[in-house]
Amino acid sequence: QQQVKQSPQSLIVQKGGIPIINCAYENTAFDYFPWYQQFPGKGPALLIAIRPDVSEKKEGRFTISFNKSAKQFSLHIMDSQPGDSATYFCAASMDSNYQLIWGAGTKLIIKP
Amino acid sequence: DGGITQSPKYLFRKEGQNVTLSCEQNLNHDAMYWYRQDPGQGLRLIYYSQIVNDFQKGDIAEGYSVSREKKESFPLTVTSAQKNPTAFYLCASSWALSSYEQYFGPGTRLTVT
Repeated sequence: QQQVKQSPQSLIVQKGGIPIINCAYENTAFDYFPWYQQFPGKGPALLIAIRPDVSEKKEGRFTISFNKSAKQFSLHIMDSQPGDSATYFCAASMDSNYQLIWGAGTKLIIKP
Repeated sequence: DGGITQSPKYLFRKEGQNVTLSCEQNLNHDAMYWYRQDPGQGLRLIYYSQIVNDFQKGDIAEGYSVSREKKESFPLTVTSAQKNPTAFYLCASSWALSSYEQYFGPGTRLTVT
């Protein structure tokens, strides 16, 4: 019940396309859902995060869509660029236990 | 220039040797964390510390030890008891344990042969 399942494991998209990465969770106590971006040889960096009281959040070209009833959330990257090529991790946490539960990651490649 | 530094970037050790990974932060954060990252897996929490002189085991603490004698430093020792120590190790910090955003260092890749 503590798991966060992320898909796909890898994704190749042409420049300008809209890659979509999905995550699903079971524990309804989770109330914070961040996405982290990691470039090769670097540590992850927070990209965008959402709480379950909203269904969508946008920051620049990155959008999180959140479906509370389905217990799913997804990351969309608009007008994707080769510089967006990285590994993306979703995660979940709750106020009573601040530990982040991480998805397995999606390796995204944007082809020029 | 604030941030988290981890050294060294690459570390090689023989099986049976203990090795200590360095993590230093100048962000004035109270909470610090150590994660292990393996290919195709999410980050797994090894240890975390809420304040100086206090630390708690994470999900995979066996074979690891930490200390938190200073606010800015949180070294991780990989002992010979860790059965599969070869991995990418990430240190992170946050303002407090209740602060969800974690800031990560560049990582140390440890290879044990």
